[in-house]
Formats: sequence, C-alpha cells, structure tokens
Amino acid sequence: AQSVTQLGSHVSVSEGALVLLRCNYSSSVPPYLFWYVQYPNQGLQLLLKYTTGATLVKGINGFEAEFKKSETSFHLTKPSAHMSDAAEYFCAVSDPLNAGNMLTFGGGTRLMVKP
Amino acid sequence: DTEVTQTPKHLVMGMTNKKSLKCEQHMGHRAMYWYKQKAKKPPELMFVYSYEKLSINESVPSRFSPECPNSSLLNLHLHALQPEDSALYLCASSQPPQGPAIYFGEGSWLTVV
Repeated sequence: AQSVTQLGSHVSVSEGALVLLRCNYSSSVPPYLFWYVQYPNQGLQLLLKYTTGATLVKGINGFEAEFKKSETSFHLTKPSAHMSDAAEYFCAVSDPLNAGNMLTFGGGTRLMVKP
Repeated sequence: DTEVTQTPKHLVMGMTNKKSLKCEQHMGHRAMYWYKQKAKKPPELMFVYSYEKLSINESVPSRFSPECPNSSLLNLHLHALQPEDSALYLCASSQPPQGPAIYFGEGSWLTVV
C-alpha cells in the first residue's frame, strides 16, 4: 500500500520568496511521483513528474522537485513566488507495477502568496 | 490548455432527475478515469476504464453509472442522487503502461438539490 503525506495544509510566503512544499511518501516499491496544481474552480494541472533517471525534475511555471529515495521525499520548490502561484498543490504517487496507474494523493497544501 | 474536455461545466439537478456528465480526450490515451472531489479535499477515484473496459470500480453507489462508448469518450450517468453527492467531478486520462502521467480535465461542478 502507498501513502502520501504533505506537511503543512497551508503555507504562506511573500511574493519573491522561496516556495517549499513538502511531500513524503511510503511505498513498497520505488514509485512514480507527481505534483499537481489546482487553481480556484479549476481542474488539476500536472506540474511535473518523476519516473526514472535524473532525480531533479523541472516542471512548468518555474517549479522543480527532487526525488530523494533515502528520505522518501519529493519536495516542490520555486526560487521566487509570484502572486499567480496561489493555489492548492497536491503530491501524488503511483505504483509502476500497476497497469492501472492509479494515483494516491496527499491531503494537499494551499499556497498563499502575500504582496 | 487541457486536452481533456468535460461538459457541462456546471450542473444542478434534483434528486429524481437523470443526467449525464461527458468527457472527451484528444491524446489517444487508452485509460480513462472518473474522480470525485469535495471541497478542500484531494480527488477520490471512482472508476477506471482501460481499453474501453471497466477495470476498477471503487465501491461507488449504483446511482453513478459509467460508460465508455469508445476510446476517446467517457460518460457518467447520474440518477437519484443525494445532496451529499454534490462535488466536482473530474475526468482524466493516461496511456498505460508506458505513460504514467494522468491528465485531468477542468471538471464538472455538480449540485444536487
């Protein structure tokens, strides 16, 4: 069984500050890892994914995440926050051995950006 | 821009109505999904279709009935819903087994009155 923990249901940063959203997972096999963003009243948009290869993954909108197997973490970062980054962020994992590609989501982190 | 299109964007229905949510994807994916999302919660998986066959039903009540007419279309038929079924319904698709990423549509907001 897999599980995902996102530390901090709410994170507030100032515009221009570093964004760090934390994600830890539990999985019996090395999982695929994802970050999704959900803007108000919209669906989920894929920010980035890790499957194999380079552990530092770059995504859209200047976000990146690093897979650290020893820490079972996949934290999301962005060097400088913009007001437009305010949204809900979901970390998710899936089992590479499961052809259904089902996602297990974390509880979500709401990012607030102060001017 | 999402390549998973959902209609309608908003739906209000009475508890005795029959309605349908529709989803179309234009990416040639062979797996399609329905998720339900309540406010301030992550999405919850309802159904998975793989190669047009229902492969996963997460113990969803029978008042929700999925249908996959072809590889690019997915419907969710609704009948005799309850107010607690009000939520955002998200359609998604992926390309198993080599494509692990799941792509979501914008969702359909359902209100049951």
